[in-house]
Amino acid sequence: DAGVIQSPRHEVTEMGQEVTLRCKPISGHNSLFWYRQTMMRGLELLIYFNNNVPIDDSGMPEDRFSAKMPNASFSTLKIQPSEPRDSAVYFCASRGSRTDTQYFGPGTRLTVL
Amino acid sequence: KQEVTQIPAALSVPEGENLVLNCSFTDSAIYNLQWFRQDPGKGLTSLLLIQSSQREQTSGRLNASLDKSSGRSTLYIAASQPGDSATYLCAENTDKLIFGTGTRLQVFP
Repeated sequence: DAGVIQSPRHEVTEMGQEVTLRCKPISGHNSLFWYRQTMMRGLELLIYFNNNVPIDDSGMPEDRFSAKMPNASFSTLKIQPSEPRDSAVYFCASRGSRTDTQYFGPGTRLTVL
Repeated sequence: KQEVTQIPAALSVPEGENLVLNCSFTDSAIYNLQWFRQDPGKGLTSLLLIQSSQREQTSGRLNASLDKSSGRSTLYIAASQPGDSATYLCAENTDKLIFGTGTRLQVFP
Protein backbone atom coordinates (compact mmCIF):
# COMPACT_ATOMS: atom_id res chain seq x y z
CA ASP A 1 0.00 0.00 0.00
CA ALA A 2 1.44 3.40 -0.98
CA GLY A 3 0.03 5.21 2.03
CA VAL A 4 -1.32 8.74 1.90
CA ILE A 5 0.27 10.70 -0.93
CA GLN A 6 0.70 14.46 -0.84
CA SER A 7 2.02 16.84 -3.46
CA PRO A 8 3.99 18.93 -3.74
CA ARG A 9 6.35 18.11 -0.86
CA HIS A 10 7.70 21.64 -0.82
CA GLU A 11 6.17 24.84 -2.14
CA VAL A 12 7.70 28.30 -2.11
CA THR A 13 5.54 31.13 -3.38
CA GLU A 14 5.14 34.86 -3.11
CA MET A 15 2.49 36.62 -1.11
CA GLY A 16 -0.73 37.01 -3.05
CA GLN A 17 -0.28 33.91 -5.18
CA GLU A 18 -2.72 31.02 -5.23
CA VAL A 19 -1.49 27.78 -3.69
CA THR A 20 -3.05 24.34 -4.23
CA LEU A 21 -2.07 21.36 -2.11
CA ARG A 22 -3.09 17.86 -3.17
CA CYS A 23 -3.81 14.65 -1.32
CA LYS A 24 -4.55 11.09 -2.34
CA PRO A 25 -5.89 9.05 0.60
CA ILE A 26 -5.33 5.36 1.16
CA SER A 27 -7.58 3.35 -1.13
CA GLY A 28 -10.77 2.28 0.64
CA HIS A 29 -10.56 4.92 3.38
CA ASN A 30 -13.69 7.03 3.64
CA SER A 31 -12.53 9.88 5.90
CA LEU A 32 -9.95 12.52 5.00
CA PHE A 33 -8.43 15.20 7.22
CA TRP A 34 -6.38 18.32 6.52
CA TYR A 35 -4.08 19.59 9.30
CA ARG A 36 -1.66 22.48 9.64
CA GLN A 37 1.45 22.35 11.83
CA THR A 38 3.38 25.40 13.03
CA MET A 39 5.86 25.97 15.83
CA MET A 40 3.53 28.43 17.53
CA ARG A 41 0.23 26.55 17.33
CA GLY A 42 1.26 22.93 16.93
CA LEU A 43 -0.92 20.59 14.89
CA GLU A 44 -4.41 21.86 14.14
CA LEU A 45 -7.29 20.30 12.26
CA LEU A 46 -8.47 22.50 9.40
CA ILE A 47 -11.26 20.42 7.87
CA TYR A 48 -12.37 16.85 7.49
CA PHE A 49 -14.49 14.95 4.99
CA ASN A 50 -16.54 11.81 5.41
CA ASN A 51 -17.55 10.01 2.21
CA ASN A 52 -16.39 13.08 0.24
CA VAL A 53 -18.68 15.44 2.20
CA PRO A 54 -17.18 18.20 4.40
CA ILE A 55 -18.24 17.50 7.98
CA ASP A 56 -16.36 20.06 10.05
CA ASP A 57 -14.58 23.08 8.61
CA SER A 58 -14.46 25.08 11.83
CA GLY A 59 -10.67 25.00 11.78
CA MET A 60 -10.35 26.71 8.43
CA PRO A 61 -8.75 30.01 9.40
CA GLU A 62 -10.25 32.36 6.82
CA ASP A 63 -12.21 32.59 3.62
CA ARG A 64 -8.90 32.50 1.81
CA PHE A 65 -8.79 28.78 2.57
CA SER A 66 -10.98 26.28 0.74
CA ALA A 67 -10.96 22.50 0.42
CA LYS A 68 -12.63 20.11 -1.95
CA MET A 69 -12.97 16.38 -2.32
CA PRO A 70 -14.44 15.68 -5.75
CA ASN A 71 -14.07 11.91 -5.37
CA ALA A 72 -12.91 9.29 -2.89
CA SER A 73 -9.33 9.31 -4.14
CA PHE A 74 -8.48 12.99 -4.32
CA SER A 75 -8.67 16.17 -2.26
CA THR A 76 -7.29 19.68 -2.59
CA LEU A 77 -6.61 22.47 -0.14
CA LYS A 78 -6.42 25.88 -1.78
CA ILE A 79 -5.18 29.17 -0.36
CA GLN A 80 -6.03 32.29 -2.35
CA PRO A 81 -4.44 34.76 -1.87
CA SER A 82 -1.58 33.36 0.19
CA GLU A 83 0.07 35.34 3.00
CA PRO A 84 3.39 34.87 4.85
CA ARG A 85 1.53 33.74 7.99
CA ASP A 86 0.22 30.75 6.03
CA SER A 87 3.75 29.31 6.03
CA ALA A 88 3.52 25.92 7.73
CA VAL A 89 3.55 22.20 7.09
CA TYR A 90 0.19 20.95 5.84
CA PHE A 91 -0.67 17.32 6.47
CA CYS A 92 -3.36 15.16 4.99
CA ALA A 93 -4.57 12.04 6.79
CA SER A 94 -7.10 9.34 5.99
CA ARG A 95 -9.05 6.81 8.01
CA GLY A 96 -11.06 3.72 7.23
CA SER A 97 -14.61 3.16 8.38
CA ARG A 98 -13.71 0.34 10.79
CA THR A 99 -10.93 2.05 12.69
CA ASP A 100 -10.18 5.20 14.69
CA THR A 101 -6.56 5.28 13.51
CA GLN A 102 -5.60 8.05 11.12
CA TYR A 103 -2.78 7.54 8.63
CA PHE A 104 -0.78 10.63 7.82
CA GLY A 105 0.91 11.68 4.62
CA PRO A 106 4.46 13.12 4.59
CA GLY A 107 3.20 16.70 4.49
CA THR A 108 3.69 19.73 2.27
CA ARG A 109 6.05 22.39 3.57
CA LEU A 110 4.68 25.75 2.40
CA THR A 111 6.74 28.92 2.48
CA VAL A 112 5.06 32.19 1.52
CA LEU A 113 7.54 35.02 0.99
CA LYS B 1 -11.86 24.90 25.32
CA GLN B 2 -10.26 21.50 24.89
CA GLU B 3 -6.58 21.47 25.78
CA VAL B 4 -3.93 18.80 25.65
CA THR B 5 -0.68 19.33 27.51
CA GLN B 6 2.48 17.26 27.28
CA ILE B 7 5.28 17.19 29.79
CA PRO B 8 8.22 17.35 29.43
CA ALA B 9 8.60 19.38 26.26
CA ALA B 10 12.02 17.84 25.64
CA LEU B 11 13.96 14.93 27.06
CA SER B 12 17.50 13.70 26.47
CA VAL B 13 18.56 10.34 27.94
CA PRO B 14 21.24 7.71 27.50
CA GLU B 15 20.41 4.50 25.74
CA GLY B 16 18.80 1.81 27.88
CA GLU B 17 16.78 4.02 30.20
CA ASN B 18 13.08 3.46 30.82
CA LEU B 19 11.06 6.59 30.04
CA VAL B 20 7.68 8.06 30.92
CA LEU B 21 6.04 10.71 28.78
CA ASN B 22 3.00 12.49 30.19
CA CYS B 23 -0.16 13.78 28.54
CA SER B 24 -2.98 15.71 30.22
CA PHE B 25 -6.34 16.45 28.65
CA THR B 26 -9.36 18.45 29.78
CA ASP B 27 -12.31 16.71 28.10
CA SER B 28 -13.39 13.57 29.99
CA ALA B 29 -15.86 12.66 27.22
CA ILE B 30 -13.18 11.30 24.95
CA TYR B 31 -13.74 8.39 22.59
CA ASN B 32 -10.10 7.40 22.76
CA LEU B 33 -6.59 8.70 23.36
CA GLN B 34 -3.91 8.23 20.72
CA TRP B 35 -0.12 8.41 20.75
CA PHE B 36 1.84 9.28 17.62
CA ARG B 37 5.49 9.50 16.69
CA GLN B 38 6.83 12.18 14.35
CA ASP B 39 10.31 12.01 12.86
CA PRO B 40 11.92 15.25 11.58
CA GLY B 41 10.48 16.27 8.22
CA LYS B 42 8.03 13.40 8.22
CA GLY B 43 4.37 12.79 8.92
CA LEU B 44 2.90 11.21 12.02
CA THR B 45 2.89 7.49 12.69
CA SER B 46 0.26 6.02 14.99
CA LEU B 47 1.79 4.10 17.90
CA LEU B 48 -1.04 3.22 20.25
CA LEU B 49 -4.75 3.89 20.57
CA ILE B 50 -6.55 3.44 23.88
CA GLN B 51 -10.33 3.32 23.81
CA SER B 52 -12.14 5.20 26.58
CA SER B 53 -13.20 1.89 28.12
CA GLN B 54 -9.63 0.62 28.31
CA ARG B 55 -6.91 1.32 30.87
CA GLU B 56 -3.84 0.51 28.80
CA GLN B 57 -2.43 -0.75 25.53
CA THR B 58 0.92 -2.36 24.78
CA SER B 59 2.99 -2.69 21.65
CA GLY B 60 6.47 -4.11 21.97
CA ARG B 61 8.50 -1.84 24.26
CA LEU B 62 5.69 0.72 24.40
CA ASN B 63 2.92 0.81 26.95
CA ALA B 64 0.30 3.52 27.15
CA SER B 65 -2.12 4.00 30.04
CA LEU B 66 -5.30 6.04 30.31
CA ASP B 67 -6.99 7.51 33.38
CA LYS B 68 -10.09 9.38 32.24
CA SER B 69 -11.05 10.53 35.71
CA SER B 70 -7.82 12.44 36.16
CA GLY B 71 -7.48 13.39 32.50
CA ARG B 72 -4.08 11.77 32.12
CA SER B 73 -2.28 9.37 29.85
CA THR B 74 1.30 8.15 30.02
CA LEU B 75 3.50 6.56 27.41
CA TYR B 76 6.11 4.24 28.86
CA ILE B 77 9.12 3.33 26.71
CA ALA B 78 11.18 0.45 28.01
CA ALA B 79 14.90 0.08 27.35
CA SER B 80 15.14 3.14 25.12
CA GLN B 81 17.23 3.04 21.94
CA PRO B 82 18.70 5.77 19.71
CA GLY B 83 16.11 4.82 17.10
CA ASP B 84 13.39 5.98 19.51
CA SER B 85 14.57 9.58 19.05
CA ALA B 86 11.62 11.53 17.67
CA THR B 87 8.79 13.79 18.80
CA TYR B 88 5.93 12.01 20.53
CA LEU B 89 2.44 13.51 20.34
CA CYS B 90 -0.68 12.52 22.17
CA ALA B 91 -4.16 13.39 20.91
CA GLU B 92 -7.54 13.21 22.54
CA ASN B 93 -10.36 12.13 20.27
CA THR B 94 -13.84 13.49 20.99
CA ASP B 95 -15.33 14.11 17.57
CA LYS B 96 -11.94 15.09 16.22
CA LEU B 97 -8.31 14.81 17.26
CA ILE B 98 -6.90 17.54 19.49
CA PHE B 99 -3.12 17.27 19.65
CA GLY B 100 -0.69 18.15 22.37
CA THR B 101 2.46 20.10 21.53
CA GLY B 102 4.63 17.02 21.86
CA THR B 103 7.68 15.76 23.73
CA ARG B 104 10.93 15.86 21.77
CA LEU B 105 12.95 12.81 22.77
CA GLN B 106 16.63 12.26 22.12
CA VAL B 107 18.25 8.96 23.09
CA PHE B 108 22.02 9.01 22.80
CA PRO B 109 24.32 5.98 22.61
